[in-house]
Amino acid sequence: GENVEQHPSTLSVQEGDSAVIKCTYSDSASNYFPWYKQELGKGPQLIIDIRSNVGEKKDQRIAVTLNKTAKHFSLHITETQPEDSAVYFCAASINYQLIWGAGTKLIIKP
Amino acid sequence: NAGVMQNPRHLVRRRGQEARLRCSPMKGHSHVYWYRQLPEEGLKFMVYLQKENIIDESGMPKERFSAEFPKEGPSILRIQQVVRGDSAAYFCASSPPQGQGYEQYFGPGTRLTVT
Repeated sequence: GENVEQHPSTLSVQEGDSAVIKCTYSDSASNYFPWYKQELGKGPQLIIDIRSNVGEKKDQRIAVTLNKTAKHFSLHITETQPEDSAVYFCAASINYQLIWGAGTKLIIKP
Repeated sequence: NAGVMQNPRHLVRRRGQEARLRCSPMKGHSHVYWYRQLPEEGLKFMVYLQKENIIDESGMPKERFSAEFPKEGPSILRIQQVVRGDSAAYFCASSPPQGQGYEQYFGPGTRLTVT
């Protein structure tokens, strides 16, 4: 079955700098890759997603890249702000069943 | 446009009692998913339902756990005879009936504590 690995587990960046979180997946049939942001005590919030027919997608300060050959995808956050502090999860799916990474705790230092 | 709603937000049960968790999907969504999350871990898929149908329950323990999504009313995740190991956050997600991909939108979760 699918397996998703996510790195790093914790990422601390200075406010205003960029943050990059990386995920790898094992099943080449996976075709949908969402990213979720989870704040303490809340449910995961879908922030961006990408499908396997696209290599990159951008939404304001957030971008996701996908390398199907290498089976990895990354989340890029530019000009980080204090409200970006949260746990970020990547996931991969072939159909409806999302397989989740273990999460990255992003800390934005003032 | 209300998002996915879950209740209760917090639930405390003693060992052996039953826990009932409710989920109302977003308006227009007919697919519901339940996930479980342990502290500092990712979510684990439990079950996928459409109205009156269980599509995939491969992630749900065969004993004590059941789920339903009736024609009218919310989806229910039911845990009978709870044990301490059932303590976790349970999240419900919903997605639209059609379309490419399966964008899933999550509710705020129910935090179950078994004492």
